[in-house]
Amino acid sequence: GENVEQHPSTLSVQEGDSAVIKCTYSDSASNYFPWYKQELGKGPQLIIDIRSNVGEKKDQRIAVTLNKTAKHFSLHITETQPEDSAVYFCAAPYNQGGKLIFGQGTELSVKP
Amino acid sequence: SQTIHQWPATLVQPVGSPLSLECTVEGTSNPNLYWYRQAAGRGLQLLFYSVGIGQISSEVPQNLSASRPQDRQFILSSKKLLLSDSGFYLCAWRRLATTGELFFGEGSRLTVL
Repeated sequence: GENVEQHPSTLSVQEGDSAVIKCTYSDSASNYFPWYKQELGKGPQLIIDIRSNVGEKKDQRIAVTLNKTAKHFSLHITETQPEDSAVYFCAAPYNQGGKLIFGQGTELSVKP
Repeated sequence: SQTIHQWPATLVQPVGSPLSLECTVEGTSNPNLYWYRQAAGRGLQLLFYSVGIGQISSEVPQNLSASRPQDRQFILSSKKLLLSDSGFYLCAWRRLATTGELFFGEGSRLTVL
């Protein structure tokens, strides 16, 4: 089955700096890679996703890169703001997209 | 628009008592439905997965069960709770047969004492 590893588990940056979170996956058939943001006491929400036919996708301050050969993908947040502080999860599909397996999460803290 | 409702939001139960968490989705039909658990330490563990009424896949052997009595209703149950069942339970849905967005409910926090 699919195995998703996420690093680091915690990340602290100064406001305005960039943050990078990395994930690796095991199933070479996986073709969809989302990133979710979870604020305290709430359910996770999708912030960006990428499909296997592209190597990079950008949405304002957030970007995701995908290396299918190495089976890893990364979330990049530029010009971080205090409201970016949250737990971030990567995920990959298992069983032809029917299920999503999540990484262990990264707690991002942006200090003013 | 589609919405997902999950209740109760918080629950404190004694060991050995039963459990029922409910989840309903509105504004869509025949969704894939999921139950995840998030224990202390943040990881999201997939518990159950359903592609249709009465069709439940269990991902992890445990003290819990799930049922889907109606197309947009997903229920998580236990006959006798254990201390280790404490956690944050999240229901989610996505459109059938896609690799699109997974929409999560607001979660149910269960504390077993």
